[in-house]
Amino acid sequence: GEDVEQSLFLSVREGDSSVINCTYTDSSSTYLYWYKQEPGAGLQLLTYIFSNMDMKQDQRLTVLLNKKDKHLSLRIADTQTGDSAIYFCAVGYSSASKIIFGSGTRLSIRP
Amino acid sequence: DGGITQSPKYLFRKEGQNVTLSCEQNLNHDAMYWYRQDPGQGLRLIYYSQIVNDFQKGDIAEGYSVSREKKESFPLTVTSAQKNPTAFYLCASSTWTGGDSNTGELFFGEGSRLTVL
Repeated sequence: GEDVEQSLFLSVREGDSSVINCTYTDSSSTYLYWYKQEPGAGLQLLTYIFSNMDMKQDQRLTVLLNKKDKHLSLRIADTQTGDSAIYFCAVGYSSASKIIFGSGTRLSIRP
Repeated sequence: DGGITQSPKYLFRKEGQNVTLSCEQNLNHDAMYWYRQDPGQGLRLIYYSQIVNDFQKGDIAEGYSVSREKKESFPLTVTSAQKNPTAFYLCASSTWTGGDSNTGELFFGEGSRLTVL
């Protein structure tokens, strides 16, 4: 079945880069996503990558996809206090028309 | 402004009672979803619907029911059969109904927090 895994916590110093990792089991994915959740709120899409791409860059965000290893990462350059949130990896499966989420990684920023 | 509205934001329920969470969208999206969020477990799919009058069970549908009588509305009922209903519930919608035709971005509501007393 489909499974998406992430580590639960990450702590980085302000100004450093944050790298959040995600692994998934089913290789028939179509799109892979990164969502951000602020406390007590819903999720907002940060960025996405199509499964036939290796990398996507969007301002401070860089997404890397290693399809062979079924590994997705999100790099946030120059991490700021406003980046504190939970980051969810999600994988879309067109065959089943559904999106499976990881457990979320809570990113905390230290001064 | 287009978006998804969930209500109520907070809800308290006594054991044995059914409750219904509202989800309304004015984005003209075909697909709608209900997720449950528990600490450290991420989002788990309860039910989803790709078209009016049709819906499918997700991974944790037991103890829940839904209806999709209108495109804009996808209410979720948490029944007394749900053994551990205290959680944060998120509704989402999407233009995606499968295939590679679009990115499948989910638009989320602000969530409803249900507490069973």
